[in-house]
Amino acid sequence: GQNIDQPTEMTATEGAIVQINCTYQTSGFNGLFWYQQHAGEAPTFLSYNVLDGLEEKGRFSSFLSRSKGYSYLLLKELQMKDSASYLCAVRDSNYQLIWGAGTKLIIKP
Amino acid sequence: ETGVTQTPRHLVMGMTNKKSLKCEQHLGHNAMYWYKQSAKKPLELMFVYSLEERVENNSVPSRFSPECPNSSHLFLHLHTLQPEDSALYLCASSQDLGGGSYEQYFGPGTRLTVT
Repeated sequence: GQNIDQPTEMTATEGAIVQINCTYQTSGFNGLFWYQQHAGEAPTFLSYNVLDGLEEKGRFSSFLSRSKGYSYLLLKELQMKDSASYLCAVRDSNYQLIWGAGTKLIIKP
Repeated sequence: ETGVTQTPRHLVMGMTNKKSLKCEQHLGHNAMYWYKQSAKKPLELMFVYSLEERVENNSVPSRFSPECPNSSHLFLHLHTLQPEDSALYLCASSQDLGGGSYEQYFGPGTRLTVT
């Protein structure tokens, strides 16, 4: 079967750095996405990785290792507004997105 | 504004009712999706449409019936639902199906409660 694993919940301090991990086992691989979802709102796109390595976009970076079936989302200089759920999703060989259950990130002052 | 709108935002219905969810995208995209989101569970893909043709139906019960009259509109018709169908129903669109960095744009969702 296909599976995406990510921690259920993480807590971090404002101004700090946090890394949210995602491991996957899927039928094929055609890219990995990270989305942010605030409570009661729609998921919004953060990043896309298809090749190994680090993609940086402002305070957010995403890393991919295809051989290890592993990705992480790195959030720097955390702000209170970063409190949200972070969803990892992999596009499989049928070009369907397989989603993780999301990581709820709690930011404390 | 994400460019994808959904109505209604909240819906309470009995098990014998018939209702419809509506989704509209203003982004000129060719692909549209229905997802079910339950608490602490992964997003479940229900239906995929590309250029108004259904390309995926992930073993969804027949009490959910999609309709895509044109590339901008998507409906989900509901009838004789069960309490376990209570969830957030999300609509999304993307430029196309297939590869590339085509991310999906989501609507705000309809919070459905079946009593």
